[in-house]
Amino acid sequence: QVQLQESGPGLVKPSQTLSLTCTVSGGSISSGSYYWSWIRQHPGKGLEWIGYIYYSGNTYYNPSLKSRVTISLDTSKNQFSLKLSSVTAADTAVYYCARDGGVATILVWGQGTLVTVSS
Amino acid sequence: QSVLTQPPSASGTPGQRVTISCSGSSSNIGNNIINWYQHLPGTAPRLLIYNDNQRPSGVPDRISGSKSGTSASLAISGLQSEDEAEYYCAAWDESLNGVVFGGGTKLTVL
Repeated sequence: QVQLQESGPGLVKPSQTLSLTCTVSGGSISSGSYYWSWIRQHPGKGLEWIGYIYYSGNTYYNPSLKSRVTISLDTSKNQFSLKLSSVTAADTAVYYCARDGGVATILVWGQGTLVTVSS
Repeated sequence: QSVLTQPPSASGTPGQRVTISCSGSSSNIGNNIINWYQHLPGTAPRLLIYNDNQRPSGVPDRISGSKSGTSASLAISGLQSEDEAEYYCAAWDESLNGVVFGGGTKLTVL
């Protein structure tokens, strides 16, 4: 049973870079045709797809965030990471990591982590 | 403004049947599968329907999905209090080259 767990700072200052890591347990991040995803939910709002990285390393990003987002894999640690640069208060959200089987089919989610952008 | 359009709210009494709609375009629903998620506060979203109308293991058969053209629907029959949650549709969008979610529908069991 694959499980995901997000980790990273819960508070980030404006203009800095938000960095989160998702640790994958119960399976290898480099096996199978999965897209390792980041999704967020602003307070009181709906789900927003940030982007994902295919197990081969190809990345796909939300066009509205593309200039600020980097998603990477660390197969040696069985982790994948999110970096979001130049954050503002509008980036305050619960961030989820997830495993997408393709075409938005997500069976496995992390529990989510709240990141607040504030000075 | 979400690419996929859902009604912000829906409601029903226990035992009733409710449907939630999701409207898109040819770049998403019209040419790709639709998936539905249930989201309870403080928890991770749960996949309810994939590939337009398939249920993952553990999802009861009183929950169903359908699609026609550029629109899709989620139906919940025999409504129960535990069904009170936010529901999202999601699909791949070929124009945006990314995943798009609907704005979410809050289902209230009266």
